[in-house]
Amino acid sequence: DAMVIQNPRYQVTQFGKPVTLSCSQTLNHNVMYWYQQKSSQAPKLLFHYYDKDFNNEADTPDNFQSRRPNTSFCFLDIRSPGLGDAAMYLCATSRGTTGKADTQYFGPGTRLTVL
Amino acid sequence: GQSLEQPSEVTAVEGAIVQINCTYQTSGFYGLSWYQQHDGGAPTFLSYNALDGLEETGRFSSFLSRSDSYGYLLLQELQMKDSASYFCALPRGATNKLIFGTGTLLAVQP
Repeated sequence: DAMVIQNPRYQVTQFGKPVTLSCSQTLNHNVMYWYQQKSSQAPKLLFHYYDKDFNNEADTPDNFQSRRPNTSFCFLDIRSPGLGDAAMYLCATSRGTTGKADTQYFGPGTRLTVL
Repeated sequence: GQSLEQPSEVTAVEGAIVQINCTYQTSGFYGLSWYQQHDGGAPTFLSYNALDGLEETGRFSSFLSRSDSYGYLLLQELQMKDSASYFCALPRGATNKLIFGTGTLLAVQP
């Protein structure tokens, strides 16, 4: 059974047209993360939520926003996608256990194409 | 800041043993994790070391030396399905967000 679900799996948008990616989880985990992964690169953390507390990475562009309306769902909004935003976007969850091994569970990702 | 360096590519043959190294720099250490990612797939957790020494999980083992800021992932009895990218990662902060290494692409040949 899928534990971290991302929709859609593939998204095509036009340059400058807002797009929203969604993530849901059935694990009841406290923390939800959004990563951007470009071809042949490591996943790069954009931001994460611990419950309702939003934590932005210092180098995440303002063009990227996120919402977490409840424990199960988290959204990534790209307000004005540029060609450089074409990437795989990965959602992950974890319990958020402080200072201990805390496995992250990743969704299958949404591949974003910007035309 | 934090950084992790890995070899970009490793090639090995089926049935062999391969070691993927990871050196890191960090101001505070909570452990070193390893993730596997097949092409087009999601990263999946493999192993975690908080203390020095070897952790074994089936064909995969992970080693850590905190004094050397170094770890490695050891894959034994390689199979074709082990062809994937492997990332070491540092859990950081109260929510264990991950800072990923540069990644190593493992190609297993017949």
